[in-house]
This record gives sequence, structure tokens and C-alpha cells, in this order.
Amino acid sequence: DAKTTQPPSMDCAEGRAANLPCNHSTISGNEYVYWYRQIHSQGPQYIIHGLKNNETNEMASLIITEDRKSSTLILPHATLRDTAVYYCIVRVAEKSNYQLIWGAGTKLIIKP
Amino acid sequence: DTGVSQNPRHKITKRGQNVTFRCDPISEHNRLYWYRQTLGQGPEFLTYFQNEAQLEKSRLLSDRFSAERPKGSFSTLEIQRTEQGDSAMYLCASSLADRVNEKLFFGSGTQLSVL
Repeated sequence: DAKTTQPPSMDCAEGRAANLPCNHSTISGNEYVYWYRQIHSQGPQYIIHGLKNNETNEMASLIITEDRKSSTLILPHATLRDTAVYYCIVRVAEKSNYQLIWGAGTKLIIKP
Repeated sequence: DTGVSQNPRHKITKRGQNVTFRCDPISEHNRLYWYRQTLGQGPEFLTYFQNEAQLEKSRLLSDRFSAERPKGSFSTLEIQRTEQGDSAMYLCASSLADRVNEKLFFGSGTQLSVL
């Protein structure tokens, strides 16, 4: 499975949009981009996933570049509760999640 | 949907002792995963079940580790003869097998400290 590269940390002001980048330059055509986040002392939580089209749900938006080599997770109006480690992962369809490779993620700190 | 439940939340043990953790997945989920996580790192796969069958085990899983999922419901992870290097957060996740949209639902983990 393709690996991902994320910045180790980012800051964002409360109420502003938080834009978290992810590079997955070796992604294959059948690999999906997934985002999870992990708030301190909790297990990871699913946020969103996509293949090539942009996706939006109640938590976030996912923008995937046309060449699919990178993506951006957008939290439109960040709150203090969005402070967490955000993981970008690629997953091959047909394969179970055991083959996911989790990097160290991006530690997002929302500042008042 | 009561979520994935893990017990205990914390476990402190002495080196050489055996420990057992329990995971209760979301009831309709047929897949169950165990991960280990150390400080500053992402989760690391240990093993997974589809229903009661253990389908994969990580090469990192030594023979001191064993997991079961009797009747395809709850699961236990046992570590025998614990070592200080086993200190970590042990996470359980469950999912509904899906070719495209499989999402993991995690419990809050069991924090193991081996003294």
C-alpha cells in the first residue's frame, strides 16, 4: 500500500478553517484516501474518505488533487475540541484494514 | 450503537506476569482488529478476526501474545510473561467488512504499564 507524508504539527486559530495536507505521491488507482483523528486518551475516530472526487460530510471536507498525489482535509470552523492528531492513510479496495500503514500523523492544535 | 468497549482502561503489572484484555465490538460488526500504539506513533497492527476466524497476525506478534474471538463476538488479547517493552496502549477496533467503505471504529484502549 502507498505511504503518506504529513507535517508533524500545525496550529490554527479557533473559528478559522484548518487545512491539513497529505502527500501520497505513489498512490495507485484503486487506493482510497482515509482520514482519522485521535483526541488525547481516546482511540482514533473515522472522519472521511474518498477516491478521486471531493467529499464532504458533517465533520469535514476532503479535497483530492486531480493527479491524486495529494489531498487536503478541511475543518471549516475549527473549535478547541478539534485539537487532535490527524492521520491520513491510503487503503486498497478489496483489502481489509489490517494492511493500513499508520504514520505519526499531524498534531493539530487549535488556539483560542 | 454503544460503541467499542475495552476493559480494563489501565493495567499495571510486574514483569513476567500474564495479562488479559477484553474487547466488546459493535454488535453487528464482523471484523475485529487489535493494534498497539506507543507514544507519538500511529497504531501498529497486531491481528484481526473475521467472525471467529483469526485471519492475520503481524510478524511483530511474538508467541507470548495470543488472541481469541470465541463465537465471533467479544475478543481477548493475552500477553504472557510480560516484558517492559510491552508497555503501550492496546487498541481494539471493529468494522463491517466492505470492499469500498470499510471504516474502523475504535475503543478507548487499554494502557498497559509493565514495571
